[in-house]
Amino acid sequence: DAGITQSPRHKVTETGTPVTLRCHQTENHRYMYWYRQDPGHGLRLIHYSYGVKDTDKGEVSDGYSVSRSKTEDFLLTLESATSSQTSVYFCAISEQGKNIQYFGAGTRLSVL
Amino acid sequence: GENVEQHPSTLSVQEGDSAVIKCTYSDSASNYFPWYKQELGKRPQLIIDIRSNVGEKKDQRIAVTLNKTAKHFSLHITETQPEDSAVYFCAKRDNNDMRFGAGTRLTVKP
Repeated sequence: DAGITQSPRHKVTETGTPVTLRCHQTENHRYMYWYRQDPGHGLRLIHYSYGVKDTDKGEVSDGYSVSRSKTEDFLLTLESATSSQTSVYFCAISEQGKNIQYFGAGTRLSVL
Repeated sequence: GENVEQHPSTLSVQEGDSAVIKCTYSDSASNYFPWYKQELGKRPQLIIDIRSNVGEKKDQRIAVTLNKTAKHFSLHITETQPEDSAVYFCAKRDNNDMRFGAGTRLTVKP
């Protein structure tokens, strides 16, 4: 597996609390992505980054923000978690000029 | 970007039979079409991909075909084995916009 670490792997939180998920890579890949996976929807892109401090919105970005201060770290923040954000979150990385995306192991988030 | 439709949502085959999963899309800009396999509780893993300038690609028991005119692409698994049981996702990419199908749960019965 590509050197991608997601933390935490599991989290239970309450509605209205802030939550930050971390994706750490050791591959020095330029591109990093955050997806959420829900039954019946496959994987949907939340935000992606094409370099340090360079990010853009994906298909389902409302309620989420991201930051990338270092090549190796891409953070996903839920400013005020809602029950609709209960999901499995996957980080992915890809090299510049390459289409293939490699996924992390995922973070299961439950918002009660 | 436009979404991608994937069919069927579930597929059950007998060991040794073939399995075919089909995806359709509507835009003209997508130029990369990967297929991912996801076992229960695991991460999605790329099993095969195809670019828009190629019509077919094969890797052992797995093949992907692309009809860019009709805007559909298919995954073919021959001589299925129990370890092929998983959820399979098609996807299409237009620049940095990757869209995934809803997935097909394949069950291979021994």
